[in-house]
Amino acid sequence: AQKITQTQPGMFVQEKEAVTLDCTYDTSDQSYGLFWYKQPSSGEMIFLIYQGSYDEQNATEGRYSLNFQKARKSANLVISASQLGDSAMYFCAMSDLKGFQKLVFGTGTRLLVSP
Amino acid sequence: DAGITQSPRYKITETGRQVTLMCHQTWSHSYMFWYRQDLGHGLRLIYYSAAADITDKGEVPDGYVVSRSKTENFPLTLESATRSQTSVYFCATRRGGPTDTQYFGPGTRLTVL
Repeated sequence: AQKITQTQPGMFVQEKEAVTLDCTYDTSDQSYGLFWYKQPSSGEMIFLIYQGSYDEQNATEGRYSLNFQKARKSANLVISASQLGDSAMYFCAMSDLKGFQKLVFGTGTRLLVSP
Repeated sequence: DAGITQSPRYKITETGRQVTLMCHQTWSHSYMFWYRQDLGHGLRLIYYSAAADITDKGEVPDGYVVSRSKTENFPLTLESATRSQTSVYFCATRRGGPTDTQYFGPGTRLTVL
């Protein structure tokens, strides 16, 4: 069974600084995908970034990058140059790459960006 | 382009009543999913579907029923609502393989009194 652990219930960062949100995972699969989603206070789930287990390079999408350390089973999200609009809940999720490829989510980290 | 819509957005019902939450997509994506979101649990998968007439249970299926007679619709029914089913329910779709993004609907907030 797959499991995602997010150990930081809440994080604070000042505007324009970088912040790292932690995510560790557990799986016996060799092929899997890792995702990060953002959920602002309005409630919608917004896809941020994807990393495949066989991808050699860390994924990047604008100010978001995924620090993928396969041996440590970690997939931390790095947000550079934080903005006030980054204040939200952030969820890490993983999927196997066979069958129905269901997503398993962590419990989330609430990020608050202060001016 | 509407994408994914969920209805109703808010629902209050009583214990024992049957409730159906609707999910409609305009993309013709093959895969559809229902999740519930509760404090301390993140999102948990209730049911999923790979195509019309193909559905299967997720992590927390008890008390829920789904159907998918058409690609674009994936209703979730609570056969006899309980207070523990008070939650926010999200529908999601995915076009194809596992590296494709899952797109989420706006959610339905359900309260069972």
